[in-house]
Amino acid sequence: AQSVTQLGSHVSVSEGALVLLRCNYSSSVPPYLFWYVQYPNQGLQLLLKYTTGATLVKGINGFEAEFKKSETSFHLTKPSAHMSDAAEYFCAVSAPFTGNQFYFGTGTSLTVIP
Amino acid sequence: GAVVSQHPSWVICKSGTSVKIECRSLDFQATTMFWYRQFPKQSLMLMATSNEGSKATYEQGVEKDKFLINHASLTLSTLTVTSAHPEDSSFYICSAGRIQETQYFGPGTRLLVL
Repeated sequence: AQSVTQLGSHVSVSEGALVLLRCNYSSSVPPYLFWYVQYPNQGLQLLLKYTTGATLVKGINGFEAEFKKSETSFHLTKPSAHMSDAAEYFCAVSAPFTGNQFYFGTGTSLTVIP
Repeated sequence: GAVVSQHPSWVICKSGTSVKIECRSLDFQATTMFWYRQFPKQSLMLMATSNEGSKATYEQGVEKDKFLINHASLTLSTLTVTSAHPEDSSFYICSAGRIQETQYFGPGTRLLVL
């Protein structure tokens, strides 16, 4: 079974500051891990994903995440926050060889303070 | 990247009526499609897994007679909310993909039941 925990339902950062959104997962098989962003009244937009290979994954809009198997974590970071980064962020896990369903975390709402 | 569409994007209906939502994979054939529901300020919850040519598999707590899913072809799955009630008002999102490959999400359908 797979599950995702996102620590911190709300995160506020100043514009230009580091963004760190935390995600820990539980999976009985090697997982695929994802970060999605959702703007108000819109669907999901894929930021980045980890499947296999390099554990540091770079995504769109300057975001990156590192898969740490020993810590079962996949935290999302961005060196410098921009006002346009304010949105809801979801971490998700899937097990492509055992059903391929996505299981989402509860989401983290990011506020960027000017 | 792969494109998944949903139709309609918005629907308002009266209580007691049925509403059909379509999910299409536009440029690939999807052996599996998933349906999710998202209530305001909450995460996405998996409702059911839809496999082409077979009955859908519903998550615990999801009424299969209320949420009818049909996956008649490799590019189309439909979700019908039967006898809709105000508590069914939500954001419904589908995803599509092939076995052992990543899923692609549709833009979502917002349902409002009056």
